[in-house]
Formats: sequence, C-alpha cells, structure tokens
Amino acid sequence: DGGITQSPKYLFRKEGQNVTLSCEQNLNHDAMYWYRQDPGQGLRLIYYSQIVNDFQKGDIAEGYSVSREKKESFPLTVTSAQKNPTAFYLCASTHRVFTGELFFGEGSRLTVL
Amino acid sequence: GQQVMQIPQYQHVQEGEDFTTYCNSSTTLSNIQWYKQRPGGHPVFLIQLVKSGEVKKQKRLTFQFGEAKKNSSLHITATQTTDVGTYFCAGPPMIYNQGGKLIFGQGTELSVKP
Repeated sequence: DGGITQSPKYLFRKEGQNVTLSCEQNLNHDAMYWYRQDPGQGLRLIYYSQIVNDFQKGDIAEGYSVSREKKESFPLTVTSAQKNPTAFYLCASTHRVFTGELFFGEGSRLTVL
Repeated sequence: GQQVMQIPQYQHVQEGEDFTTYCNSSTTLSNIQWYKQRPGGHPVFLIQLVKSGEVKKQKRLTFQFGEAKKNSSLHITATQTTDVGTYFCAGPPMIYNQGGKLIFGQGTELSVKP
C-alpha cells in the first residue's frame, strides 16, 4: 500500500540533544513537507522540498534542519537550538506542488524532558 | 504576512444539529482545501475547490469557495458523533514564488454530544 511512514511515533529527548525524525514515502511524490502542530493550533510549516537535493525554509525553520538526498526520504532534525521542541510533527507529500492535496503521515510526538 | 483565519475555534453541538466553519484569507488563493483531523490522528484530505463561487457536496458536507477566492465555508448538516474532530482549511497563495506551500487556518474543533 502506498503512503507516508513516520518514525518514531513517540520520542522523548533530554534538553541539549539533537533528534532526527524519519519520513519515508512510496507515493512517488516530488514535494515533501514538515509541519509542526501545537495543542489547539494549526499547522505551521518548518521546511519543504520540491525536488531531490533542494529544500526551502518555511515559517518556523529556526532550530531545525532537513536533507533530501532521495526522493522517498525527507528526515527532520530537531536541534538543541530549538527552544521549545515539544510538539507533534507531521510529514506530508504531494504530487502537484502548487495545487495538489497533501498526504500526511501519522505524525511523531516529541517530548523534551 | 499571509494569513488564513478560521472561526469559530471551537464548536460544541448536540447530535443532529448543523455546524458551519468559516475560513478567511488575507490574500487571494489559487484553491482551497479542507482537511479533517480526528482526535489523536493526522489530517486527512476532504476536498479541494478551485473555481470562484464553487460549491461541492459530500453527503452531509457542503463546501463553498467565495467569489473573490479569499473565503470558504464548510457546512455539516445533522451532525453525527463520527464528525468529531478538527477541520482545517488551507490554500496556496496565488503568488507562486511562495513555492506552492499551503497556508493553514488554525482549525475549528468540533465536538458532538450524543
């Protein structure tokens, strides 16, 4: 079955540690996105990539980094520079960059202890 | 910056009552998309509207896109407990140098009392 797989589902981290969230898709989509969701709030864009080896900052990129070495994969690293990293992180992809619907993974819930 | 505002933020209804959420953008959108997120889940695409003034129906759900392509609404007739969740609108600005990214509204959380 085609879809987007995010891992891990739940992650606990100590302050000062970097963590990497995995996002893999087998939908053959060119564009991939990372969103952050805080309780009671909408989705805020962290980074997005329209094609392999290219990515752009979203609205809240500070303290995060990404790579896009393969079409299928778009991992997100939450660095120690991110001041308030506890959140629900959603990865998404689309087959049409400007008008396509987003397909979301099930999300990764990060808690900083 | 570009914003998409959704109202209300929360709505509590009795099962069988109707529900409407409104979405307003500060800029013209090339299309509007609606997503539903069940509690503890991830957003799932419901529908996309492209044309000015477009109206689409999905069973008890009616979606509208405004004439100026800056506002939209989702109306649910006779709510059921299965409608519980948060409904998000989202749209890409007409200015394509934004890279096609969607701007999401804050969402409307719907709870339904049986």
